[in-house]
Amino acid sequence: LAKTTQPISMDSYEGQEVNITCSHNNIATNDYITWYQQFPSQGPRFIIQGYKTKVTNEVASLFIPADRKSSTLSLPRVSLSDTAVYYCLVGGPSGSARQLTFGSGTQLTVLP
Amino acid sequence: DTGVSQDPRHKITKRGQNVTFRCDPISEHNRLYWYRQTLGQGPEFLTYFQNEAQLEKSRLLSDRFSAERPKGSFSTLEIQRTEQGDSAMYLCASSPSEQFFGPGTRLTVL
Repeated sequence: LAKTTQPISMDSYEGQEVNITCSHNNIATNDYITWYQQFPSQGPRFIIQGYKTKVTNEVASLFIPADRKSSTLSLPRVSLSDTAVYYCLVGGPSGSARQLTFGSGTQLTVLP
Repeated sequence: DTGVSQDPRHKITKRGQNVTFRCDPISEHNRLYWYRQTLGQGPEFLTYFQNEAQLEKSRLLSDRFSAERPKGSFSTLEIQRTEQGDSAMYLCASSPSEQFFGPGTRLTVL
């Protein structure tokens, strides 16, 4: 399973765009990149998944360069409620019966 | 609320006691996963069910741990002879595609 590296923590202010970058140098050809969000005392929550280029949904965008050795989660105009731990994972697509391999995640703190 | 429920939400026990946790997945989800999460770390995979069949187990799942999913519906995770190192959050997830996690059961072993 490909290992991921992401910053331990990040601070931002309300209303700003936040970009969290994840390195996955050993990503396999058939691996997808998935991001989860976790609030204290809750289970992780799926945010977004992509394979290449750019994916956008109602809460975030995911940018993946051509070499796929890194990816960037972009959160537009963050609010205090976006304070959480964000995990980057690589592995099979959502439809595959795969276990998820989490790293230590990035603690994002949004300040007023 | 993802629709996955876990019971109890908190459990305090003494070392050596047995504990059992329950997970009720979203009803139409045939896949069910158990993970364990310690403070400051991401969740670690424990085991996976497809319907009632336990298809994969992590090496983290020692002989003291057992999981069942009778009839492919709810699942139970039992820990026998608990140790202080078992203190963690135990998370259940279910999926047809992306995994939906429950709120977890926080176990404290004194």
